[in-house]
Amino acid sequence: GEDVEQSLFLSVREGDSSVINCTYTDSSSTYLYWYKQEPGAGLQLLTYIFSNMDMKQDQRLTVLLNKKDKHLSLRIADTQTGDSAIYFCAERYNQGGKLIFGQGTELSVKP
Amino acid sequence: DTGVSQDPRHKITKRGQNVTFRCDPISEHNRLYWYRQTLGQGPEFLTYFQNEAQLEKSRLLSDRFSAERPKGSFSTLEIQRTEQGDSAMYLCASSQGTGGQETQYFGPGTRLLVL
Repeated sequence: GEDVEQSLFLSVREGDSSVINCTYTDSSSTYLYWYKQEPGAGLQLLTYIFSNMDMKQDQRLTVLLNKKDKHLSLRIADTQTGDSAIYFCAERYNQGGKLIFGQGTELSVKP
Repeated sequence: DTGVSQDPRHKITKRGQNVTFRCDPISEHNRLYWYRQTLGQGPEFLTYFQNEAQLEKSRLLSDRFSAERPKGSFSTLEIQRTEQGDSAMYLCASSQGTGGQETQYFGPGTRLLVL
């Protein structure tokens, strides 16, 4: 079945690390994505990971993938107030490439 | 700006009216996707095109919805006889699909309010 789940809220202090978690159900997913959405705006791709990788690092972002547990996480180092937004994880289906999104995690960064 | 553009950005309509949205993808992207996002939820897939061909439609896309991509470039999404439940943000994305990794780039969305 198609299901991606995320916790709804996360609050951190500026300068701390943020970890946003996601679980998915389709073991045949090939790519998993993290998108960021600011209020009233479209989605901005942050990073993605191929399903045969365990980890990917891109500047302040680290993605960890545990394929056995179907668990994906996004770590943001040195979180800034400008990182406040809603973060969506998404899995991509093999056929056609449609994305299945989680419901989003609202990250609030307090100064 | 060479990103994905959508028009209009906002639309208010009365129940029962028809509305049409337009999406202009990134130039030469062969795939174009439509998603719908309601408040507090993630985007849900509606349909997608590869060039002119509409290859997949979600169960969410009732008979009142129709999408076209006549020349394989821009796309339109029409909703006939709108209902209050159609109120949502309609997002368009495009990608260069090669069978491997493809990044979908999203437009700013069209926010629809049905009164």
